[in-house]
Amino acid sequence: DADVTQTPRNRITKTGKRIMLECSQTKGHDRMYWYRQDPGLGLRLIYYSFDVKDINKGEISDGYSVSRQAQAKFSLSLESAIPNQTALYFCATSDSGGVWTGELFFGEGSRLTVL
Amino acid sequence: LAKTTQPISMDSYEGQEVNITCSHNNIATNDYITWYQQFPSQGPRFIIQGYKTKVTNEVASLFIPADRKSSTLSLPRVSLSDTAVYYCLVGALMFSGGYNKLIFGAGTRLAVHP
Repeated sequence: DADVTQTPRNRITKTGKRIMLECSQTKGHDRMYWYRQDPGLGLRLIYYSFDVKDINKGEISDGYSVSRQAQAKFSLSLESAIPNQTALYFCATSDSGGVWTGELFFGEGSRLTVL
Repeated sequence: LAKTTQPISMDSYEGQEVNITCSHNNIATNDYITWYQQFPSQGPRFIIQGYKTKVTNEVASLFIPADRKSSTLSLPRVSLSDTAVYYCLVGALMFSGGYNKLIFGAGTRLAVHP
C-alpha cells in the first residue's frame, strides 16, 4: 500500500459542484501539502499544514479550502468548481525533524476535470 | 525564496551521461538545493540534495560550485526509463518552528532515445 494515498484518482464534475479530494498518509509526518499541476507549469502550492492546528495558504489558494482532520488526513475542497480548476492535484508530506532533509513524499495524484 | 532557471527540455541517448544545470543566482546562505524526478501521471520523487561541493548517491551526482549560484545534476549512463521531468528546487534549511515551503518550477523534460 502507498504511504500517501489520494482519493479519488480521477473525477469528472460539472461547473458549480462541490468537490473534495482526500489525502491520507501512513508515514507519521506532521507536514502535509496540496499542489496543483498544469501542463508546462510544474507544480504550484495551494495550501500546506504543519500540524493539525496549522493551515497556511500557498501560491494559489483562491477558490480552494482545506481541512486537516487528523495528523494523517488532509483534504482539499473546491466549493464551486470551475473549468480552470481542471488539473492534476498532488498531496505530499514531509517530516518536521530538527534538520530539514528537503524530501517531500507525494501521492499518486488526483486528476480532476471540470466541465 | 530563490528563483531557479533550468532548460525546458533535453535529449539524450541510452548509455550517455546527462548533465542538467540549474541557475539560482539569489540563493541564500541557509538554502539547500534539491532535485526531484517526475514520471508521467506520478508524483515527483526526491533524487538528491546538497549544500555545496559534490554529493553522490546510487541514482545521481550533484555538483555545486563554491559560489552556489548554480548546480548540476548528473545522471550516469541513462536508460529509457530515465525519461522524465527533473525539477531543481532551492529552499531554506529550517529547524523546528520554521517551515520548508518548496516552489517547483516547470522543470527540465529529459527524453532518452534508443
